Amino acid sequence: DTGVSQDPRHKITKRGQNVTFRCDPISEHNRLYWYRQTLGQGPEFLTYFQNEAQLEKSRLLSDRFSAERPKGSFSTLEIQRTEQGDSAMYLCASSLRGLAGKMDTQYFGPGTRLTVL
Amino acid sequence: AQSVTQLDSQVPVFEEAPVELRCNYSSSVSVYLFWYVQYPNQGLQLLLKYLSGSTLVESINGFEAEFNKSQTSFHLRKPSVHISDTAEYFCAVSDSSASKIIFGSGTRLSIRP
Repeated sequence: DTGVSQDPRHKITKRGQNVTFRCDPISEHNRLYWYRQTLGQGPEFLTYFQNEAQLEKSRLLSDRFSAERPKGSFSTLEIQRTEQGDSAMYLCASSLRGLAGKMDTQYFGPGTRLTVL
Repeated sequence: AQSVTQLDSQVPVFEEAPVELRCNYSSSVSVYLFWYVQYPNQGLQLLLKYLSGSTLVESINGFEAEFNKSQTSFHLRKPSVHISDTAEYFCAVSDSSASKIIFGSGTRLSIRP
């Protein structure tokens, strides 16, 4: 399978615990995105990387959230001191940003469903 | 700032009937427009996209959407739906930097036999 993969697919944690999610993008894709989707809503942009550089962060991404892409390949999203409001599906997407002006399509992974008790 | 409005949270239709899922957007700059589909227990998949050129874009499974700049709309249509089209459909917009996609809240399409 050469699509975007995410691990774990499901995570149940207690309030106050830290959690970390992993995303493996499509090979050779230089852009990687994180979104959050709550029940009944569309995905909301959190942050994105081009190679290892984090280029944009949403205001939704509080100080408890941190994302990394250390070698420009896989990425991790960590949530510290989880709160019940963090319960959501966390989606990763990747794309290949090529020639200037050429739109790159984002391909989404299956998501990690987080439940904070 | 960009935003997307999907006016219908749910659309029930009978099999083989036509369907239109409405989408309106707002943006102060040129945009790219998308429809994504999420089948039950599956991830988001790109259904079709408008980047430039012809305002009518089509998917491989019979859906089409028309970009209407004056009405800031990008409605999705299919002349005859099938049970397998049951899914949640998200309209989305991006600016030319393509750094992020802004999604609507989704429309759940349910097909009745």
